[in-house]
Amino acid sequence: NAGVTQTPKFRILKIGQSMTLQCTQDMNHNYMYWYRQDPGMGLKLIYYSVGAGITDKGEVPNGYNVSRSTTEDFPLRLELAAPSQTSVYFCASSYSTPVNQPQHFGDGTRLSIL
Amino acid sequence: DQQVKQNSPSLSVQEGRISILNCDYTNSMFDYFLWYKKYPAEGPTFLISISSIKDKNEDGRFTVFLNKSAKHLSLHIVPSQPGDSAVYFCAARGDIYGGATNKLIFGTGTLLAVQP
Repeated sequence: NAGVTQTPKFRILKIGQSMTLQCTQDMNHNYMYWYRQDPGMGLKLIYYSVGAGITDKGEVPNGYNVSRSTTEDFPLRLELAAPSQTSVYFCASSYSTPVNQPQHFGDGTRLSIL
Repeated sequence: DQQVKQNSPSLSVQEGRISILNCDYTNSMFDYFLWYKKYPAEGPTFLISISSIKDKNEDGRFTVFLNKSAKHLSLHIVPSQPGDSAVYFCAARGDIYGGATNKLIFGTGTLLAVQP
């Protein structure tokens, strides 16, 4: 019953460093999503993918990159970390569109950039 | 520009009473609305949804009401239980170009505390 697994759970980065947030799901879901949640705010969509090899931008894609080489994995890359990217990042997946099949979320990665 | 708004950051109710969480939206193109529940240090979990062609959907203790003319929806929890204490997010499907997309727009959340 792994569902959606995100690693790491916590990370502190220095300004300008890069890192990859990992997300993997074992439910054979086609759709995968990355969100960020800032304090007192709702979740904002960064990128999403409707299948292997297909990705698209969400509301707040600047400063991030994604790839989807397999159905299971959807890593999120930060190339030049900035303090504005301090947030909690959630990965989610669903078999189909987010109303026909509700999204399943990971437990999040808390990222601080100092 | 917040298209989905939850104007009450927090709500406290007594166990056994009704909890009413509210959500307003601005975009008439949204075609589905969902409620998610989130415990600390966990990801959100899906609770209940409603299509824009309906005005009510019920699932056990949870009922969602949609008033399209007012662009308002509400989640009723009856009776409330201490285990319901969590942050509740309202979400709408769509973006500024239309309703039928793969994207959800989330509100800022309401922290519900159910007192024993």
